[in-house]
Amino acid sequence: AQKVTQAQTEISVVEKEDVTLDCVYETRDTTYYLFWYKQPPSGELVFLIRRNSFDEQNEISGRYSWNFQKSTSSFNFTITASQVVDSAVYFCALSEYTNAGKSTFGDGTTLTVKP
Amino acid sequence: GAVVSQHPSRVICKSGTSVKIECRSLDFQATTMFWYRQFPKKSLMLMATSNEGSKATYEQGVEKDKFLINHASLTLSTLTVTSAHPEDSSFYICSAREGWGSPDTQYFGPGTRLTVL
Repeated sequence: AQKVTQAQTEISVVEKEDVTLDCVYETRDTTYYLFWYKQPPSGELVFLIRRNSFDEQNEISGRYSWNFQKSTSSFNFTITASQVVDSAVYFCALSEYTNAGKSTFGDGTTLTVKP
Repeated sequence: GAVVSQHPSRVICKSGTSVKIECRSLDFQATTMFWYRQFPKKSLMLMATSNEGSKATYEQGVEKDKFLINHASLTLSTLTVTSAHPEDSSFYICSAREGWGSPDTQYFGPGTRLTVL
């Protein structure tokens, strides 16, 4: 069975601080996908990144960066110089490689960025 | 990017009535659609997987007679909550997958908030 753990339920930072959201996963599959999504108060899920298990390169997109460590089954997400608009619930998810839509989600981390 | 719509965005109904939620892929053919449920301040839980033209596959613990799923075309899947009760109140989110094999991409709809009085 697949499992995703986001140990941080809530995080509060002050604007311009860097913040890292942790994600640890469990799976018996050798190939799989990992995702991060943002869910603002409106409720609509916003796709941030998809990473397949073959690719352990870290990725940077603007203020966002992701650190995938297969050895520790972690896929952490860092926001640099946080902004108030980053306030949202962030979900990490894991899916089968041959069925990427069938995802197991973590419980989410609520990030609050204060001005 | 691909767009998935849901209708209605919000619905309030009386206990005992049935509610239908539509999920449409607007600019691509969705071979597979997924229905998720999200309780307040909770994670998304996969309810079922529906493939066009075949019966949906339900996750363990999800009542198939309670949550009827129909995937009649490559662009439309519907979720009907039958004889709704207050405990069915939730945020229902669909997603649609484009493509047949991997790598493939999943697109989420904006969600439907159901309130059963």
